Amino acid sequence: GDSVTQMEGPVTLSEEAFLTINCTYTATGYPSLFWYVQYPGEGLQLLLKATKADDKGSNKGFEATYRKETTSFHLEKGSVQVSDSAVYFCALLNYGGATNKLIFGTGTLLAVQP
Amino acid sequence: NAGVTQTPKFQVLKTGQSMTLQCAQDMNHNSMYWYRQDPGMGLRLIYYSASEGTTDKGEVPNGYNVSRLNKREFSLRLESAAPSQTSVYFCASKPISGGTDTQYFGPGTRLTVL
Repeated sequence: GDSVTQMEGPVTLSEEAFLTINCTYTATGYPSLFWYVQYPGEGLQLLLKATKADDKGSNKGFEATYRKETTSFHLEKGSVQVSDSAVYFCALLNYGGATNKLIFGTGTLLAVQP
Repeated sequence: NAGVTQTPKFQVLKTGQSMTLQCAQDMNHNSMYWYRQDPGMGLRLIYYSASEGTTDKGEVPNGYNVSRLNKREFSLRLESAAPSQTSVYFCASKPISGGTDTQYFGPGTRLTVL
């Protein structure tokens, strides 16, 4: 079945460091890919999305490119801030396969130190 | 416009007790979802309702029931709580079940079953 694998955390960085959180997926058909962010004590918020191969999603300085050849959707940010500390979830939504529901990765905790 | 609201925020139950988690959205969305979030497992879909009057099982429906009371409200019931149901529960909504629109999440209910 469809699945999402993302790097385990926690990821601990100093302020202004470069961030990469890896995400790979397995799916039939042509899924849409998402990154969600969960700040402490809150629900999930959509951070960015890409709906087809080679699309780049971007928001708040974060970027991710939909790479069909490597089945990846890695999240990057050039300079993280303390306020970026949160749990980040990669997810897919597959319309062409047997499911039509969001499939989430296990989440990656990011802690940014001043 | 409150978005997706959930009650209660916290709950402690004893094994065998029952309770209902409430969810409401004011965005006129057709589709609503219930997830549980457990450490190291991401979010898993319990039940969903693609539109008013319909409900379907997700990945982990055992031990739960749902009611789509009207277009705004989607409740989750635990008839006989078990310690394995200790989790954080999130409700989400979406304009329609298909398409690439994001799901909007509530703040969650943290449930402990002793």
